[in-house]
Amino acid sequence: NAGVTQTPKFQVLKTGQSMTLQCAQDMNHEYMSWYRQDPGMGLRLIHYSVGAGITDQGEVPNGYNVSRSTTEDFPLRLLSAAPSQTSVYFCASSYRSTGGYTFGSGTRLTVV
Amino acid sequence: AQKVTQAQTEISVVEKEDVTLDCVYETRDTTYYLFWYKQPPSGELVFLIRRNSFDEQNEISGRYSWNFQKSTSSFNFTITASQVVDSAVYFCALSDADYNQGGKLIFGQGTELSVKP
Repeated sequence: NAGVTQTPKFQVLKTGQSMTLQCAQDMNHEYMSWYRQDPGMGLRLIHYSVGAGITDQGEVPNGYNVSRSTTEDFPLRLLSAAPSQTSVYFCASSYRSTGGYTFGSGTRLTVV
Repeated sequence: AQKVTQAQTEISVVEKEDVTLDCVYETRDTTYYLFWYKQPPSGELVFLIRRNSFDEQNEISGRYSWNFQKSTSSFNFTITASQVVDSAVYFCALSDADYNQGGKLIFGQGTELSVKP
């Protein structure tokens, strides 16, 4: 099925561990982005990409890395997990900068 | 700086009531886009509408309608004859039109709507 696929859906990490949240889309969208959702704060942009090989920081980039080697994939790496990174993470893609973004189903991450 | 404010944190209505969700935005751009997303209890984000800053016509889609007023920087969302299935968190979002900015979405804090039978 066409759409944005995020894996895993749930993850528990210990403080200091690293991991990669996967995001893939099969709609040939140029634009991809990562958001985190915290209670009472809406969604905040972590990193975004306007095309393969091009990434930039969003509002809350500290502690996260991204790369975009292909149009389809946009993984988010947590370098050294901290309890403050406990959140729900959403990946999104769009065929143009101002299109309606399609969101993945989210990854619920808990850092203990 | 761009900002979106949804002053209503929670709203509770009884089924069949009409309900309006408020959204006020701030931007210095003359060209921008406004969005509404629905997040049902299952957690996914569902795209509802996109409106550009040059189109101030109100829009109606079934029981949903949107009122865009540039003069008051508002983009309010009304559900007519609400139903239990409308219970969700609703987010208003703003995006600039700059290609190099990747159409970053600035979200409001969300309004949790509870529709009781």
